Amino acid sequence: QKEVEQNSGPLSVPEGAIASLNCTYSDRVSQSFFWYRQYSGKSPELIMSIYSNGDKEDGRFTAQLNKASQYVSLLIRDSQPSDSATYLCAVNGNTGGFKTIFGAGTRLFVKA
Amino acid sequence: GAGVSQSPRYKVAKRGQDVALRCDPISGHVSLFWYQQALGQGPEFLTYFQNEAQLDKSGLPSDRFFAERPEGSVSTLKIQRTQQEDSAVYLCASSLAPAGVPSFGPGTRLTVL
Repeated sequence: QKEVEQNSGPLSVPEGAIASLNCTYSDRVSQSFFWYRQYSGKSPELIMSIYSNGDKEDGRFTAQLNKASQYVSLLIRDSQPSDSATYLCAVNGNTGGFKTIFGAGTRLFVKA
Repeated sequence: GAGVSQSPRYKVAKRGQDVALRCDPISGHVSLFWYQQALGQGPEFLTYFQNEAQLDKSGLPSDRFFAERPEGSVSTLKIQRTQQEDSAVYLCASSLAPAGVPSFGPGTRLTVL
């Protein structure tokens, strides 16, 4: 079992729709959770961080964390073509110390 | 301020050559990470430094890979006797605190022929 799992996609949504991206992690000790966006040929950039159970909203983005289910999600409202990218889920503060572990990423396509 | 920088941005090596990849983290950042990212995959953890101490090198794929950060700032990832399977983008990231959010450099794309 991989430490951080994501559906590789691609996930295709029409412009203006809500895109829902999901991630599960295996280490119950994990404390910090991040969503990064990576455009083709570029390095990952942070979108959201979340540390406690519940929802955290920032503009069109909402991160959701459920530690009991070991589940993290990212919702993108009013999706735009410019949101088309790979979204990486990352987890830190695990049994292995402070290394940040990434999932394989979900490719999102937003159709105009 | 300046972000994480990496050099070279592109490196082509013949199989068997040694390469050295450099990372300049954000000034004052305690933690430094190296990742390997193959095409279509997420970043795979290689190693982690807290200041000059290499606290975790569990992700280094073989003893051909070696990383150092002697003064707690600049880090070098060295790959000896490169193989074709080493072809990937090598990403460096740094964070202000041990549990902080990593900020990534632009990466070094290594191609081994």
